[in-house]
Amino acid sequence: EAQVTQNPRYLITVTGKKLTVTCSQNMNHEYMSWYRQDPGLGLRQIYYSMNVEVTDKGDVPEGYKVSRKEKRNFPLILESPSPNQTSLYFCASRTGGGGANVLTFGAGSRLTVL
Amino acid sequence: DAKTTQPNSMESNEEEPVHLPCNHSTISGTDYIHWYRQLPSQGPEYVIHGLTSNVNNRMASLAIAEDRKSSTLILHRATLRDAAVYYCILRDPYGGSQGNLIFGKGTKLSVKP
Repeated sequence: EAQVTQNPRYLITVTGKKLTVTCSQNMNHEYMSWYRQDPGLGLRQIYYSMNVEVTDKGDVPEGYKVSRKEKRNFPLILESPSPNQTSLYFCASRTGGGGANVLTFGAGSRLTVL
Repeated sequence: DAKTTQPNSMESNEEEPVHLPCNHSTISGTDYIHWYRQLPSQGPEYVIHGLTSNVNNRMASLAIAEDRKSSTLILHRATLRDAAVYYCILRDPYGGSQGNLIFGKGTKLSVKP
């Protein structure tokens, strides 16, 4: 089944403790992206990647890092999490270009930073 | 980036058609109109998209105004499972972030039995 898989789905951590949220897709998509969703603010893009070893900042990249060493994986790294990074995170992927290409989203990862 | 305007919420009865409107008066010639929906506790999922002509798929229909300044997502027979937030999004493949989708607040659709 074509899908985007995120782990963990739920995580409670403490301020400053580094964590990684993994994202993997099995559709051979070039483009991958991370979003966060907060009440009243909708979905906002954190980082995106057009292909292996190509990443770029989205609208809210502060406090996050990403890497794209393989086509299928796009982990989101929080080096020193803070409470304002408590949020619902979604990973998504699609084929490379064109206005008609659609995004496939993961099920989400709910992160709480105490 | 071109913006969309949607009602905050709408209600429908089960088994009845639902017309979800979207205004995008500043749409450019290269913008595709995408609709996604987000069911409770799930990630957004693709519903339908179009450029100029009306489109149909197994989930819904998309009616696009002739001047492309507005569009309507049509669910032909709403079910309880269609209760979700529906997002109307313009995607410019040549825009910043390589045509990232900008999600607004969407329309929260409630379906009554």
